[in-house]
Amino acid sequence: GAGVSQSPSNKVTEKGKDVELRCDPISGHTALYWYRQSLGQGLEFLIYFQGNSAPDKSGLPSDRFSAERTGGSVSTLTIQRTQQEDSAVYLCASSLSGMWDEQFFGPGTRLTVL
Amino acid sequence: AQKVTQAQTEISVVEKEDVTLDCVYETRDTTYYLFWYKQPPSGELVFLIRRNSFDEQNEISGRYSWNFQKSTSSFNFTITASQVVDSAVYFCALRGSSNTGKLIFGQGTTLQVKP
Repeated sequence: GAGVSQSPSNKVTEKGKDVELRCDPISGHTALYWYRQSLGQGLEFLIYFQGNSAPDKSGLPSDRFSAERTGGSVSTLTIQRTQQEDSAVYLCASSLSGMWDEQFFGPGTRLTVL
Repeated sequence: AQKVTQAQTEISVVEKEDVTLDCVYETRDTTYYLFWYKQPPSGELVFLIRRNSFDEQNEISGRYSWNFQKSTSSFNFTITASQVVDSAVYFCALRGSSNTGKLIFGQGTTLQVKP
């Protein structure tokens, strides 16, 4: 497909478990972003990857959250020891380059922590 | 600090009415971009427009138009002759030169267009 894809589309987990969320950006896009959308907080930036540069992790809410991007393409967002407040839709986006290009968003992963 | 405010939480109109969604932003950057995204009930954010801080020309695309005014730090979005398919949540976003590539989003405006 031509768009950003994310998997799984839905994830239900128990409090305390670890989860991994995957993002496949648009082919050729060098920049990749993770955002979180929740009812109380709106759309929040989490982390940004640009090429081989060190990622901007300034939006990660705690050290339970981490992300990596392998080979400049696929990215995985990992949440360790999930808490109920982690329940949200996690959105991935990519852009052709880092700064000014529009970001194209994937369909998101809805995470529910019981 | 950078901030985007969409004061209208929900708007309801009847089909064919015109509607304007307000967006006010704050930034100290002289170079920045403003964006509008649409999030229909399906959930996926759809890019609508990008505007840079040096271009205050208004833009029209079909029934959509955007009014960018630096003097009032506003980037308002108007839908002319609204249709039911315009029902969605609309987000205004800001990206400034000082904050890498991340978007700062407003809280969104839910637009309901009734037949």
